[in-house]
Amino acid sequence: DAKTTQPNSMESNEEEPVHLPCNHSTISGTDYIHWYRQLPSQGPEYVIHGLTSNVNNRMASLAIAEDRKSSTLILHRATLRDAAVYYCILRDGYVNRDDKIIFGKGTRLHILP
Amino acid sequence: EPEVTQTPSHQVTQMGQEVILRCVPISNHLYFYWYRQILGQKVEFLVSFYNNEISEKSEIFDDQFSVERPDGSNFTLKIRSTKLEDSAMYFCASGNQADTQYFGPGTRLTVL
Repeated sequence: DAKTTQPNSMESNEEEPVHLPCNHSTISGTDYIHWYRQLPSQGPEYVIHGLTSNVNNRMASLAIAEDRKSSTLILHRATLRDAAVYYCILRDGYVNRDDKIIFGKGTRLHILP
Repeated sequence: EPEVTQTPSHQVTQMGQEVILRCVPISNHLYFYWYRQILGQKVEFLVSFYNNEISEKSEIFDDQFSVERPDGSNFTLKIRSTKLEDSAMYFCASGNQADTQYFGPGTRLTVL
């Protein structure tokens, strides 16, 4: 499985932007970069995904490096509700389509009031 | 917004007993999954199900586990003879292949 590397934990102040990094130096050309998060005592929740271009949705933005070996999930204005474990996951979207999701340890994001 | 639902939210059972965990996936989804998370550990894939059969299963999913889609709406996970180490949160998910998966809130299984 293609692997990602994320910091174990990060802290941010409420109402400030948060940049969550992810390294994936062995990414293949058909791997999509997906982000999920898991709020306390809840199931994982889809956040965003992309292939090459930066992506925005109502929850977050995904900035993908030009060489695709790293990406950053951006929460524009963190709230206490954004405290969660954030998972960066590579999923093959073409010939060798991945069905299951392989979760790593993710980054535990703490939001300080 | 449609969501995956799971029942019960908490199940307590004695070791050796059978349990059935129930899930109602999102109605137009074709792929169904079970994952589990032992307290303090990673979310682990158990099994994927498509077209009324298992498409992939992990090493965890041994002969004690089975899945079924009995009536076109429910998706169940059965553990035939529970062990202490089966205590975990069990998450059902649904989606379409290589696309977003939508997870339920989970069932906490406690085996005594």
